[in-house]
Amino acid sequence: ELKVEQNPLFLSMQEGKNYTIYCNYSTTSDRLYWYRQDPGKSLESLFVLLSNGAVKQEGRLMASLDTKARLSTLHITAAVHDLSATYFCAVDRGTSGSRLTFGEGTQLTVNP
Amino acid sequence: EPEVTQTPSHQVTQMGQEVILRCVPISNHLYFYWYRQILGQKVEFLVSFYNNEISEKSEIFDDQFSVERPDGSNFTLKIRSTKLEDSAMYFCASSETSYNEQFFGPGTRLTVL
Repeated sequence: ELKVEQNPLFLSMQEGKNYTIYCNYSTTSDRLYWYRQDPGKSLESLFVLLSNGAVKQEGRLMASLDTKARLSTLHITAAVHDLSATYFCAVDRGTSGSRLTFGEGTQLTVNP
Repeated sequence: EPEVTQTPSHQVTQMGQEVILRCVPISNHLYFYWYRQILGQKVEFLVSFYNNEISEKSEIFDDQFSVERPDGSNFTLKIRSTKLEDSAMYFCASSETSYNEQFFGPGTRLTVL
């Protein structure tokens, strides 16, 4: 059974600071996704990481994937209040039409 | 930009009643999915659907659940006899192929009283 673990689960940080969210998964997969969810809202796709060593950046967020370590990171640079949300990583098993298995989510609060 | 749509946005029902949640996937997508999220918890897979058949289902997706593509555009999730623990946000998703990113709809909040 594929397990996906995120840490930390709760993160409170000051504006302007940097921090990293970690996502570990238990079995081989080459595809990892990061989603953002605002309270009561749907899942907004942030990054799709498809191969070992993939790195993608969008604004203050940068995601990377190390398939050998089964680890993805979401790095936040110079956080701003608008980044406050819950961030989920999700992994699929790479088979046709396969399910996404989600981590527990990291609830990020950026304080002014 | 094409998007997945879901109706209703909020459904309140009595325990034991049947509910049907509706989704319109993105038009050129071939793979469809239902997920649920109990309040404050992670997103859980329910079922995937391709070529008018279930491709995969989770242990949550028991005999009380069924899915259907009744026409060329809608994709529905039916819960035959709702229980209190079925209260959750239900998300529909679709993808162009089995290897493409899944796009999520806005969700239907189901409240079972």
